[in-house]
Amino acid sequence: AQKVTQAQTEISVVEKEDVTLDCVYETRDTTYYLFWYKQPPSGELVFLIRRNSFDEQNEISGRYSWNFQKSTSSFNFTITASQVVDSAVYFCALSEALKNQFYFGTGTSLTVIP
Amino acid sequence: KAGVTQTPRYLIKTRGQQVTLSCSPISGHRSVSWYQQTPGQGLQFLFEYFSETQRNKGNFPGRFSGRQFSNSRSEMNVSTLELGDSALYLCASSAGLANEQFFGPGTRLTVL
Repeated sequence: AQKVTQAQTEISVVEKEDVTLDCVYETRDTTYYLFWYKQPPSGELVFLIRRNSFDEQNEISGRYSWNFQKSTSSFNFTITASQVVDSAVYFCALSEALKNQFYFGTGTSLTVIP
Repeated sequence: KAGVTQTPRYLIKTRGQQVTLSCSPISGHRSVSWYQQTPGQGLQFLFEYFSETQRNKGNFPGRFSGRQFSNSRSEMNVSTLELGDSALYLCASSAGLANEQFFGPGTRLTVL
């Protein structure tokens, strides 16, 4: 069975601090996809990144970076120099290769204090 | 390109009633998925439609149903509403299998 665990329920950081959001997943599939989404207070889920199981390269996009480690089944997300606008709930999700069914973690609520 | 749109944005119903929610996907996207989001259960997959056919289904009772039209627009119906059906219902569209899904703003359903 597929499962995504985001152990951090809530995180608070002061502006300009770096913060890492953890994501651990379980799957028996050899081919799968991992995603991160941001849900600001407005409620709409915003796509951040998609990563397939064969690509373990870390990715950086501006202040955002992602660390995918298959050996530990983790796909962590780091925000560098956090800003107030980063305050949101962040979801990690897993998808099987042949389905459009996402398994979401329970989310991490990030508050960036000015 | 216009994003995923959902109507209505807010709904208030009473127990026992039924409700229909609508979703228009991003132009060119043929896959539409529905999710229920509640504080207690988080985001849970309801079902996915592709080319007017239900391709995947989550673990929800038969009161939850959906359909997709030839223009890829989708509707979700919940019959005999229960208090526990109060939730944010999110629709997402994607271009293909395991592609990123783009979400609409959701319909906030309150059952009294």
